[in-house]
Amino acid sequence: DIVMTQSPDSLAVSLGERATINCKSSQSVLYSSNNKNNLGWYQQKPGQPPKLLIYWASTRESGVPDRFSGSGSGTDFTLTISSLQAEDVAVYYCHQYYTPPHTFGQGTKLEIK
Amino acid sequence: EVQLVESGGGLVQPGGSLRLSCVASGFMFRNYWMSWVRQAPGKGLEWVAKIKPDGSEKYFVDSVKGRFTISRDNAENSLYLQMNSLRGEDTAVYYCVMGGSWYNYWGQGTLVTVSS
Repeated sequence: DIVMTQSPDSLAVSLGERATINCKSSQSVLYSSNNKNNLGWYQQKPGQPPKLLIYWASTRESGVPDRFSGSGSGTDFTLTISSLQAEDVAVYYCHQYYTPPHTFGQGTKLEIK
Repeated sequence: EVQLVESGGGLVQPGGSLRLSCVASGFMFRNYWMSWVRQAPGKGLEWVAKIKPDGSEKYFVDSVKGRFTISRDNAENSLYLQMNSLRGEDTAVYYCVMGGSWYNYWGQGTLVTVSS
């Protein structure tokens, strides 16, 4: 199974500042046939189901603010929030869909400093 | 509007069984992979299973293989998760999700509690 490891486990950032969450996969999730990374990012707020932010590692889902961006390739990925807003307080998960089981990272809790 | 509505959760004793259902609307259900994802209380997300549009391919996380079965009824726009030999570690909110890769639509979840 592919193990997804996020860092840090928790993060406190001031409003308006940049937040960066890292995700590392135990093997590459780059699909050679289309040169796309099979990696997504989700945001989950308390009492709600997760919300898709990013797929193919860097494609923003429709309606997601452009302060959210994804980058990386192969085994190392990053979710960046360019200017933290109060409504961004949540737990963030990376997720590989390269091969089943489609494992998630352990989550990163983002708070306001 | 896409809607996924789960049902069937509840309290069950260890070793018992439950069948979760998910009724889908707002999209061509028969054309999409469907999946189940679970979340234990206060814990992270765990992918459980997925099924191909025609039901011919199914995949499971190792911890549920041989105990859980995923199925679908495309005529009824419904997805199912049959859970047998339930254990305490299966206690979780179970989400029905649209897709077999990334998930842009999730149900609200149904809580399964395995306890004596």
